[in-house]
Amino acid sequence: GIQVEQSPPDLILQEGANSTLRCNFSDSVNNLQWFHQNPWGQLINLFYIPSGTKQNGRLSATTVATERYSLLYISSSQTTDSGVYFCAVPRMEDSWGKLQFGAGTQVVVTP
Amino acid sequence: EPEVTQTPSHQVTQMGQEVILRCVPISNHLYFYWYRQILGQKVEFLVSFYNNEISEKSEIFDDQFSVERPDGSNFTLKIRSTKLEDSAMYFCAAWQIGAEAFFGQGTRLTVV
Repeated sequence: GIQVEQSPPDLILQEGANSTLRCNFSDSVNNLQWFHQNPWGQLINLFYIPSGTKQNGRLSATTVATERYSLLYISSSQTTDSGVYFCAVPRMEDSWGKLQFGAGTQVVVTP
Repeated sequence: EPEVTQTPSHQVTQMGQEVILRCVPISNHLYFYWYRQILGQKVEFLVSFYNNEISEKSEIFDDQFSVERPDGSNFTLKIRSTKLEDSAMYFCAAWQIGAEAFFGQGTRLTVV
């Protein structure tokens, strides 16, 4: 199956700082999603981004499918950005909806 | 944004008891999933369900687990005889071809 690696595993930011989270995957994918898991454990959809760049407020994401990585940018971080960020890709070539998650990046934003 | 609704949000059960976790997926989606996340670990695929049958299951999904869609709307995960190691967050998800998967808010299962 596909391998998904996220870096860094942990990130501590001061409020207002910018950061970049990375997701590397071991095989070609036709689907990639970024999620934010909040302190209550809920998985919030951030981006569906098989390729290209998308922006949503202070967050943006870029996927370079040919080089097998995706980046999540957080700008002007706020304490509400704290939580775990996961990327997920299809487990196998023919399993678009069955996702393989990375181990996540734990983000703590301090006031 | 489309919603997947899970109930209950938190369930505490005694070891050996049966539990049923419930999900109401997005009505026009055809593919449904259960995932599990043990505290502090990554989210793991359990089972996928399409056209009223299991299409794939992981090695975690052994004989104590079952899924069904009894009435065409609810999608349930049953754990027959719970063990301490079944304590986890369980997520239901729905997906349509060519689009993103949507996850419910999760059910936190605590086995004591």
